[in-house]
Amino acid sequence: NAGVTQTPKFQVLKTGQSMTLQCAQDMNHEYMSWYRQDPGMGLRLIHYSVGAGITDQGEVPNGYNVSRSTTEDFPLRLLSAAPSQTSVYFCASSRAGDLTYEQYFGPGTRLTVT
Amino acid sequence: AQTVTQSQPEMSVQEAETVTLSCTYDTSESDYYLFWYKQPPSRQMILVIRQEAYKQQNATENRFSVNFQKAAKSFSLKISDSQLGDAAMYFCAYRSRTNAGKSTFGDGTTLTVKP
Repeated sequence: NAGVTQTPKFQVLKTGQSMTLQCAQDMNHEYMSWYRQDPGMGLRLIHYSVGAGITDQGEVPNGYNVSRSTTEDFPLRLLSAAPSQTSVYFCASSRAGDLTYEQYFGPGTRLTVT
Repeated sequence: AQTVTQSQPEMSVQEAETVTLSCTYDTSESDYYLFWYKQPPSRQMILVIRQEAYKQQNATENRFSVNFQKAAKSFSLKISDSQLGDAAMYFCAYRSRTNAGKSTFGDGTTLTVKP
């Protein structure tokens, strides 16, 4: 199992550009989430999904879109990048049905918006 | 909305000593789960320990244990016999049964281990 994979690992964008951060998991997990981590801070939830076709907003959804057409993939789209979106982005997945199931995290994408 | 507070941005401990990291949370729910994750410099998030709210007994995993005080909404992590490899950022996280698809994290505590 590859677990949770994220691409790219690093990205530099200019203000106003758009891009998609990719996230995939091969564990057949129902739940998937996107977080951002700003320097010295915790993880803040952007969007999450409890299954294919179902997504919901987290704490900081503005400026981001998601969709979940398959169980495996959960891409995060930045519509018009802003310097405030400079951050490290983590994707996570977990099984449904038991809250003790931990979240499995990807390695993160470091995004810089200039 | 649930909140998770880690009041110690930084902590340090001497190798082989014991350290306790604090976490408090705010919720009106009764069925939830709490987690501690470790994030070393590699940025990879690693589960350290988990606690089910309806269990009175505190969870333990080798050198890691928690002190769960449900009434006080407190969930501290104790690391015994600290090792150099324990140096990392530690995050407390909350997850409820009513909205199991999302987790709320604290801002983290950076732990330094001195040789």
